Amino acid sequence: DAKTTQPNSMESNEEEPVHLPCNHSTISGTDYIHWYRQLPSQGPEYVIHGLTSNVNNRMASLAIAEDRKSSTLILHRATLRDAAVYYCILVRQTGANNLFFGTGTRLTVIP
Amino acid sequence: NAGVTQTPKFQVLKTGQSMTLQCAQDMNHEYMSWYRQDPGMGLRLIHYSVGAGITDQGEVPNGYNVSRSTTEDFPLRLLSAAPSQTSVYFCASSYGGQGALYEQYFGPGTRLTVT
Repeated sequence: DAKTTQPNSMESNEEEPVHLPCNHSTISGTDYIHWYRQLPSQGPEYVIHGLTSNVNNRMASLAIAEDRKSSTLILHRATLRDAAVYYCILVRQTGANNLFFGTGTRLTVIP
Repeated sequence: NAGVTQTPKFQVLKTGQSMTLQCAQDMNHEYMSWYRQDPGMGLRLIHYSVGAGITDQGEVPNGYNVSRSTTEDFPLRLLSAAPSQTSVYFCASSYGGQGALYEQYFGPGTRLTVT
């Protein structure tokens, strides 16, 4: 399975935008880019996913590079509730819906 | 909808004991899976199922069994518990077996300690 690389940790001030990067240089044409987050002592929670075009939902935006070798999860206004570990995961279009988690980026939000 | 439920929330076992972790979902999802998460690590896939009667191994299946007799339930059995199986276990489900299009819903987890 294609691998992703994320920074171990990032910090953001409350109510400021946060850009969480993810590199996936070995992505294949049938890989979707999924983001999940895990709040402390909880199970992971789906955030957003995309294939080629940028995507927006109520939680976040996903910006995908034109060559698809990297992507950025954008939280428009960080809140204390956004403090979590964020995972960038490649999911193949065909086959079972299996997620292969790395170690993710731990986001700290400073009040 | 209750979503994905897991029982028990906490469990302590002695080495060699067996037990079953329960997972149920009420969303009529075809796909269900079990993950384990060790301290400071991401989740690792143990077993998964793309529908009733169908199961397959994930990354770390040794020491665990699963079955899927109904759409709703996907129990995980520890055959002979070992200290290396001390972990937090998460169950997840999603609408379809074709992964890329469907988000997964995770349960709250079971924290297992094997002494």
